Parts: sequence; structure tokens; C-alpha cells
Amino acid sequence: DQQVKQNSPSLSVQEGRISILNCDYTNSMFDYFLWYKKYPAEGPTFLISISSIKDKNEDGRFTVFLNKSAKHLSLHIVPSQPGDSAVYFCAASRNYGGATNKLIFGTGTLLAVQP
Amino acid sequence: GAGVSQTPSNKVTEKGKYVELRCDPISGHTALYWYRQSLGQGPEFLIYFQGTGAADDSGLPNDRFFAVRPEGSVSTLKIQRTERGDSAVYLCASSLGLARGELFFGEGSRLTVL
Repeated sequence: DQQVKQNSPSLSVQEGRISILNCDYTNSMFDYFLWYKKYPAEGPTFLISISSIKDKNEDGRFTVFLNKSAKHLSLHIVPSQPGDSAVYFCAASRNYGGATNKLIFGTGTLLAVQP
Repeated sequence: GAGVSQTPSNKVTEKGKYVELRCDPISGHTALYWYRQSLGQGPEFLIYFQGTGAADDSGLPNDRFFAVRPEGSVSTLKIQRTERGDSAVYLCASSLGLARGELFFGEGSRLTVL
């Protein structure tokens, strides 16, 4: 049962344009969402997060949007740069009095930014 | 070191052998997590420690997998009687505590079971 889904395995974008990566989730108990970026042979690195009490969070070129009713979030990268080429993972967590940082990951989207 | 350190970076073993994977978290981080990433998948939660105790081991696939963190810092993931299906990248992460925030991941230990 895949609770966090990234239905696009890959995405190709021209440098300078907008990259939009999508993520859907099924568990309505999730209340905190994160995006991680992963380069080959490296561990995932944190990019940006959003709490379920918000619908948007922005950090420089990166913006995450959350639509709770649709159980959908997206990551926007504007403008896209070749160095953004990586696998992007969406992750979610819930607060059940235990490990609030126990993350459930999607399968990832490979972003390729063409120069 | 400044980041999460994992050793070995690569391990090739034969089916049925015993394997240990080590994780050295960021100094001062009390929470430590093990994840497993199979080819084409996202990281999958295995176990997490708060201090020395395993607070949640619900992700361990079976009793061949065991992890310890005896002094609340370094952790070892132990896999007995390895099977080919155990082949994956084993990722360790740490965080300051249970408060919401990012996990800092190591580069992973790639395990190949022949």
C-alpha cells in the first residue's frame, strides 16, 4: 500500500523554465510534508517542508504547495538550473505521539534540467 | 565529522552470511533512523532510536534484522542469514530529536547479496 505516490518517474525541463513535481498521498492523518533531493551515490538532502496548517511555503527558488482536500502537494522550482538535476522525493509524516519524524517516502521523480 | 557517516560504503556478501552496517550520527543528535532503499523505490523506514532505545522498530521486515545503539550514539544494523532480496542501499539518518524537522542522511551502505 503506497501511501505517498509520485506518479511521474521522470521530468525534463529547459534551463530557466519552471519545474513542477507532483505528489499525492492517501493517509489523511499525515500533517507534515517534506521534499528531499538526491544526487547519485549520495544520501537524500532536505529541501523544503510544509505543515498541514499552511498551503504554501517558499524558500528562494523553491515553493511547495499543499492542497489538503485533494491530498496533493507540488514542488515548484523557478527558475530551473542544471544543478537541480536530481531525484526528488516527497515524504510525509504524522504525529501519533511517537516518532513524529518517521517519514514515508514516495518513489521519486528524476528531474533533468537541460542547459 | 560534520555529517552522518556510514560504513562500509559497499558490502558484497554471499547468501546466508551475517552482515553488520555501522552508522555514526551527527554529534548531539539524539534521534537515529535506519531506512532501506531498493532499486527504483523511495527510502523505506526500518527502525528509529531515541537515545539508546529502539522507540519504533515496526519497519524491520523480519527477525533476521536487528539494530542496536548501546551508548546513544553509534548504531549498528545487523542482518543474519542474508538473502538476495536484502540487496539494497541502507540509509542512516539522524535528527536533533522528535521535533518536526529535517532528517540528515548519510550516503548509505550498498549491500549486495550474491
